[in-house]
Amino acid sequence: GEEVAQTPKHLVRGEGQKAKLYCAPIKGHSYVFWYQQVLKNEFKFLISFQNENVFDETGMPKERFSAKCLPNSPCSLEIQATKLEDSAVYFCASSPVRGEKLFFGSGTQLSVL
Amino acid sequence: GDSVTQMEGPVTLSEEAFLTINCTYTATGYPSLFWYVQYPGEGLQLLLKATKADDKGSNKGFEATYRKETTSFHLEKGSVQVSDSAVYFCALTNAGGTSYGKLTFGQGTILTVHP
Repeated sequence: GEEVAQTPKHLVRGEGQKAKLYCAPIKGHSYVFWYQQVLKNEFKFLISFQNENVFDETGMPKERFSAKCLPNSPCSLEIQATKLEDSAVYFCASSPVRGEKLFFGSGTQLSVL
Repeated sequence: GDSVTQMEGPVTLSEEAFLTINCTYTATGYPSLFWYVQYPGEGLQLLLKATKADDKGSNKGFEATYRKETTSFHLEKGSVQVSDSAVYFCALTNAGGTSYGKLTFGQGTILTVHP
């Protein structure tokens, strides 16, 4: 497709439950990025992929967060045992080649109650 | 580490007014600088960018100049429209190595333009 597709748009979880978010990058794009936007508009880089390989994971919390980009499947971001502070909008972005601009999806709003 | 500081918002203007949103940065090396815009319920869209000192990025009437001596990248527009109402983010990246796509964002500035 011609846009980055994120699903679901909204996700509500009780504390301790698992949350899984999906991202379909634009067809032909090799790079995928995940960002977390918390209160006051603060964006935090989480992880990036080059095809199915992790490119940079320096922003990923060491515990509970994991991500994958497998061939012929949407990329996913999974949070085990969610906490209240995980409530945020999670944005996925993709780009065709290194050095090109990022195209962002419209985000998944995760609410942990 | 790298950081970006934007002027506090919100900013409220009348249509056709002049806009300035200040942005300063701290970074090692020679970062690339960006302005992104976020409309309600949407993701970020790249508004403009500059990759080296004294470069001017421009798009849709918006401009920003990469000032290395003052470590600044202020966003300006001569005459704003109601449709410019959005949240504006200044960002940087050190594009070398695995830093590609790893953006450091400012805190965002909410702009509201009234008719």
